[in-house]
Parts: sequence; C-alpha cells; structure tokens
Amino acid sequence: QKEVEQNSGPLSVPEGAIASLNCTYSDRGSQSFFWYRQYSGKSPELIMSIYSNGDKEDGRFTAQLNKASQYVSLLIRDSQPSDSATYLCAVNPPMFSGGYNKLIFGAGTRLAVHP
Amino acid sequence: NAGVMQNPRHLVRRRGQEARLRCSPMKGHSHVYWYRQLPEEGLKFMVYLQKENIIDESGMPKERFSAEFPKEGPSILRIQQVVRGDSAAYFCASSPPQGARHEKLFFGSGTQLSVL
Repeated sequence: QKEVEQNSGPLSVPEGAIASLNCTYSDRGSQSFFWYRQYSGKSPELIMSIYSNGDKEDGRFTAQLNKASQYVSLLIRDSQPSDSATYLCAVNPPMFSGGYNKLIFGAGTRLAVHP
Repeated sequence: NAGVMQNPRHLVRRRGQEARLRCSPMKGHSHVYWYRQLPEEGLKFMVYLQKENIIDESGMPKERFSAEFPKEGPSILRIQQVVRGDSAAYFCASSPPQGARHEKLFFGSGTQLSVL
C-alpha cells in the first residue's frame, strides 16, 4: 500500500463546476496535510494546508480532513481553465524526534477544466 | 516559492559525468530539503539539511549521491558518474527554523537533469 494515494486522473470538469480531488494516507499518526498545485514543467506551489478535522476554506478552495477515515480532499469551486494542473497531496508523518518535516507526496491528480 | 533559487534550470550530462545542482533557500530559512520527481510521479524525499549538517539522508541513494549545505553559500546536490536513470527534475525546498511541526515547504523552480 502506498503511503499517500491519489487517483491519477485526468479529472475533467466543465468551467464553473466544482472539482473534487481526493487523497488517502496510510499512517494514522500523520499530523499535517498539504495540497500543492503543479503546472506542467513548473515547481509545486502550496495552495492549502490543514491540520485539524473538518473544513478549511480559502477563496475558491476548501480542504477537508477526516483523520478517522484517513482521507483529505480538496474542493475547487467555480473551476477555471487556469486551474488545470496536477494537484499533489502531501502528508507529514508523525514528527520525528528531530522535530522536522519530511513530506510524503502522492503521485498527483491531473485536473482539466474545459471551457 | 520565488524566493528559493535553484540553478541551473536545465543540466545536460553524459553518462559518467558529474552533476552539481545548487539551491539558495529563501531569506531567513535555514532548512533545506531536496526532492526528486520522475515523470508522472510525485516528489520523493532525498535529503534534509541544516547549515553544515545533514539531518536525514534516508531518501538518497547510498552511492554516487551527496549533499551539503555549507555555512556560507548555497546547498549543493552532487551526483557522481551519472546514469540515465538519474534523469529527473530535482527540486529544492526551504522552510523557516521555527515551528517545525507545521512548517510549510517552499519550492524552487527545480533543475531538470538530462543524462545522455
């Protein structure tokens, strides 16, 4: 079982619709969760972080975390063609004694928003 | 992420040559991470460094790969005797020194290494 799993897609949604991206993780002790957006040939860009169960909203983005079920999701409302990218889910495993973060990334979900 | 500087942007090497990838973290950041990304795959952790110290190199191959973060100057990822399988995008990320539990990583633009 992969540590962080995502559906590779592509997920195709029409412009203006809600895009729903999902991610599951294997380490129950994981503490923090991140969504990165990566355009083709570019670097990952942090768009959301979430640490507690429930929803966290930032503009058109909503991150949802359910630690009991070990999944985290990202909703993108009013999807735009410019949202077309690969979305990477990243999980921070239980904190090491050294107190640093070592993110475990999923392989990413490709999102295609068509006009 | 524009503050994390990586160079070169593209690096072409022939098999057996050495590759040196450089990373300057964001101002005020003292933690540097190196990740490797193969096509259609997520980022894989390689090494975590603080100034003058390698903290965790568990993701780095034992042979041919090394990393450093000197007191002065950028962090260097060095790959000796490159092979075609080393072809990948190598990303550097930095984070601030405090709040380790929830610190966020900010990525540089990456170095695309191509081995001929």
